[in-house]
Amino acid sequence: AQSVAQPEDQVNVAEGNPLTVKCTYSVSGNPYLFWYVQYPNRGLQFLLKYITGDNLVKGSYGFEAEFNKSQTSFHLKKPSALVSDSALYFCAVSSLSGGSYIPTFGRGTSLIVHP
Amino acid sequence: SAVISQKPSRDICQRGTSLTIQCQVDSQVTMMFWYRQQPGQSLTLIATANQGSEATYESGFVIDKFPISRPNLTFSTLTVSNMSPEDSSIYLCSVGREMVHEQYFGPGTRLTVT
Repeated sequence: AQSVAQPEDQVNVAEGNPLTVKCTYSVSGNPYLFWYVQYPNRGLQFLLKYITGDNLVKGSYGFEAEFNKSQTSFHLKKPSALVSDSALYFCAVSSLSGGSYIPTFGRGTSLIVHP
Repeated sequence: SAVISQKPSRDICQRGTSLTIQCQVDSQVTMMFWYRQQPGQSLTLIATANQGSEATYESGFVIDKFPISRPNLTFSTLTVSNMSPEDSSIYLCSVGREMVHEQYFGPGTRLTVT
């Protein structure tokens, strides 16, 4: 079985400050990790993914995430937050070995960036 | 990437009726998925719809309640049958090109059952 934990329901940050949205995962085999963003009344948009290779992956809108195998984490980061980054963020995990290729989504973290 | 459209974008339906949601993709894709999402909450997978085979339903979802069609590689429908207020939710279609790569989501259908 595979699972994802997003320990924070909400993250508040001031505009211009760095932001981190946390994600930890559990899967038997090699993980494939994803971040998605959902703006109000919209579908989910793909932000970035880790499949293999460099542990630091860069994605859309200046976001990046670091894969940490020993801590089973894949935290989403951005050096300088924008008010327009305010949205709901979902982490997801899948696996070809020891899990399911169909991703399991976390419960989501609401990011609020204050002006 | 893929551009996905859904119809209708929203609807208000009476209990006991059925609604069919359409999902159209701008290119051929192997895998299509149907999810349900309560506003502001996580996604629950209803079923996987791959062309040429019967849909695979997740635990708690059955074909009689959520029949799915996948007539070709760019189109799918999800029907919510004999609706009750508990079916009020956002229904999302998504597609995937490779087994473990990212999915692309439609804008969703917001369903309210009265």
